[in-house]
Amino acid sequence: AQRVTQPEKLLSVFKGAPVELKCNYSYSGSPELFWYVQYSRQRLQLLLRHISRESIKGFTADLNKGETSFHLKKPFAQEEDSAMYYCALNGQGAQKLVFGQGTRLTINP
Amino acid sequence: GAGVSQSPSNKVTEKGKDVELRCDPISGHTALYWYRQSLGQGLEFLIYFQGNSAPDKSGLPSDRFSAERTGGSVSTLTIQRTQQEDSAVYLCASSNSVGSAYEQYFGPGTRLTVT
Repeated sequence: AQRVTQPEKLLSVFKGAPVELKCNYSYSGSPELFWYVQYSRQRLQLLLRHISRESIKGFTADLNKGETSFHLKKPFAQEEDSAMYYCALNGQGAQKLVFGQGTRLTINP
Repeated sequence: GAGVSQSPSNKVTEKGKDVELRCDPISGHTALYWYRQSLGQGLEFLIYFQGNSAPDKSGLPSDRFSAERTGGSVSTLTIQRTQQEDSAVYLCASSNSVGSAYEQYFGPGTRLTVT
């Protein structure tokens, strides 16, 4: 079975501090992992995917198959990063995303 | 260009009534998905369309839920005899590719409230 776990429902950090949003997954094959973000009153949008190994808005995420994790990190948080973040998994051959329950990130000034 | 659109944006209905939710995907996108976003439940997959066929309906919670897609474009999600537990935001997404590592583009959602 495919499962994504985001252990923190809420995360609050101060502006300029490092931030890490945790994501662990359960899947026996080679998954594709994604981070989606939903800003206030906006639609859900893709932030980054592990296969492209990009840095978007200063965020990075590394797939660690040994720890089955895909944590999202940013060295210096900004107020505009406040949003709901969802980690998602797509298993081989699957045509759907399995989402974690999301982490609401609040950046305090 | 135009993104995924959904209508209505909000729907309040009485328990036991039927509702229809509509999704207009991005033009040319062959894949279409429905998800449900509930408080405390996160985002749950409901159904996936490739063209007009639905290879994966595994997420539909009961036989009260059905969906169709016509002309490889617009999709309608129908909930019959609505229950209070159906209250949620229903999200539609579309994609122009299949296989893994594709990007899904989401609509703004329809907020359904069953009273």
